[in-house]
Amino acid sequence: DTGVSQNPRHKITKRGQNVTFRCDPISEHNRLYWYRQTLGQGPEFLTYFQNEAQLEKSRLLSDRFSAERPKGSFSTLEIQRTEQGDSAMYLCASSQDREAYEQYFGPGTRLTVT
Amino acid sequence: ELKVEQNPLFLSMQEGKNYTIYCNYSTTSDRLYWYRQDPGKSLESLFVLLSNGAVKQEGRLMASLDTKARLSTLHITAAVHDLSATYFCAVPGGGADGLTFGKGTHLIIQP
Repeated sequence: DTGVSQNPRHKITKRGQNVTFRCDPISEHNRLYWYRQTLGQGPEFLTYFQNEAQLEKSRLLSDRFSAERPKGSFSTLEIQRTEQGDSAMYLCASSQDREAYEQYFGPGTRLTVT
Repeated sequence: ELKVEQNPLFLSMQEGKNYTIYCNYSTTSDRLYWYRQDPGKSLESLFVLLSNGAVKQEGRLMASLDTKARLSTLHITAAVHDLSATYFCAVPGGGADGLTFGKGTHLIIQP
């Protein structure tokens, strides 16, 4: 297993369009997280899945954002009616149910909304 | 609300020098993570600190955790240019096991 993968790596879209990102976690990891990172800032937590259950959502996750993990494997993050303020790097991470819960991050999807 | 503060936010230093980055957090936590990020790249896990007094070392980097003081340090010994990067500390909370990150310390090591 080569680690967490994300697709696409870059996405340019016009304001008002919908976009969807995919994350494939490390295969034996049952926890999956989404974060958003803007330039010069640390990542901000968006949401978290344990298997297929979405257990936590940040207040940053407005109703335009939705995330799914239908079979407890890959996850998708959709942003509807994109705004320029949505431009950021969207990072996915996964971890196992072990003491450390160490999160391994994917390469990210860079979204630019024009 | 959980807050994580790093100091300094920017550090320029010469090769061969020692320095320490500080990470303070506002609520009780028994775990703390350090990550490295190179420009345009994702985050690489450096250290996981799981208990009070935990100390971990990897090469020229050493991290420690004092849960009573809510303080972690990342010490750089005899810095080399390859360590230039942004370093983040993170603490669980503010969202179940979702991590709350500091703003990062942008480290530049000059020859």
